[in-house]
Amino acid sequence: EVQLVESGGGLVPPGGSLRLSCKGSGFKFSTYAMSWVRQAPGKGLEWVSVISGSGDNIYYADSVKGRFTISRDNYGNTLSLQMKSLRAEDTAVYFCVKILSTDWYAGFDYWGQGTLVAVSS
Amino acid sequence: QSVLTQPPSASGTPGQGVTISCSGTSSNIENNFVYWYQQLPGAAPRLLMYRNDQRPSGVPDRFSGSKSGTSASLGISGLRSEDEADYYCATWDDSQSGYVFGSGTKVIVL
Repeated sequence: EVQLVESGGGLVPPGGSLRLSCKGSGFKFSTYAMSWVRQAPGKGLEWVSVISGSGDNIYYADSVKGRFTISRDNYGNTLSLQMKSLRAEDTAVYFCVKILSTDWYAGFDYWGQGTLVAVSS
Repeated sequence: QSVLTQPPSASGTPGQGVTISCSGTSSNIENNFVYWYQQLPGAAPRLLMYRNDQRPSGVPDRFSGSKSGTSASLGISGLRSEDEADYYCATWDDSQSGYVFGSGTKVIVL
């Protein structure tokens, strides 16, 4: 059974930093691209970033480019999102999402339960 | 403002069918696969349809997907109360080099 468990969310002041982690299990982690998708309170889904299975291909949404960094540890089956210069508009539930294949454009299949990031003073 | 356009809501009585549209452009829907997700209240999204019209195991055949040109559709037949949820379309956008989502459609079972 595929499981994705996020951690690291919390309350952070504007301009602060936070690191999210996601532990994957039940599948061969290194052979699948992984992504982060967020959802602001009461709003729709917004894609944040994606990384290929090897980690060689990485893409970001314009809204987070230059502030967020996605990375993966295929030995530890862990996906990470380092977030810096956080803004109020980054407040959202962040979902760790498995991609259907090693190709980063192949679509999302399994989703974690999400971790809440709240940016406020 | 979402890149993909969906109606804000759709409704029907139990047993009826509804169709949700998702409109895009040549840089996204026309040249890439479309995916559909169901999000029940308070839950994470769930994959409902992949590669335009493929149902993952466990998804009832009451759900169907299609794509033509720059638009895609999700059909739900035989509406049931448990179908009441938000539905999102998504695809890769070649010009943005990223995924794009629709704004979401709330399905209401009257």
